[in-house]
Amino acid sequence: GQNIDQPTEMTATEGAIVQINCTYQTSGFNGLFWYQQHAGEAPTFLSYNVLDGLEEKGRFSSFLSRSKGYSYLLLKELQMKDSASYLCAVMDSNYQLIWGAGTKLIIKP
Amino acid sequence: GAVVSQHPSWVICKSGTSVKIECRSLDFQATTMFWYRQFPKQSLMLMATSNEGSKATYEQGVEKDKFLINHASLTLSTLTVTSAHPEDSSFYICSARVLADYNEQFFGPGTRLTVL
Repeated sequence: GQNIDQPTEMTATEGAIVQINCTYQTSGFNGLFWYQQHAGEAPTFLSYNVLDGLEEKGRFSSFLSRSKGYSYLLLKELQMKDSASYLCAVMDSNYQLIWGAGTKLIIKP
Repeated sequence: GAVVSQHPSWVICKSGTSVKIECRSLDFQATTMFWYRQFPKQSLMLMATSNEGSKATYEQGVEKDKFLINHASLTLSTLTVTSAHPEDSSFYICSARVLADYNEQFFGPGTRLTVL
């Protein structure tokens, strides 16, 4: 079966750095997405990785290792507004998105 | 980026009534739209994939006669929850796919459905 694993909840301090991990087992691979979702709102796109390595975009970076079935989202200089759920999703061979359950990130002052 | 709208944003209805939710891609043509459902503190659950001009493909366990999907144009898809019951209360989100290098999906703002 297809499976996406990520931690349920993480806590970090304002101004610090946090890394959210995601491991996956899917039927084929056409890229990995990270989305941010605030409570009561729809997800918003953060990043896309299809090749191994690190993609940096401002305070957010995303890493992918296809051989290990592993990705992480790195958030630097955390701000209170970064409190949200972070969803990892993999596009399989049928171009369907397989979603993780999401990681709720709590930022404390 | 591409913009997807949903209407209504929230709806409260009585048990047994039907509710229609619209999903529109505002500044691009979406050949494929997706309908998701999300219960509190849970991840997105794909309900169906909607391709313009053809019948929707429903995920296992989703009743196609209860959740009617119409994708009449490249910019509009509708989801109708027929004979809604309290257990259908959920957050319904649509997304539209842009055929690009990485097939990103753009999400609508979601519709909060409460069935009394």
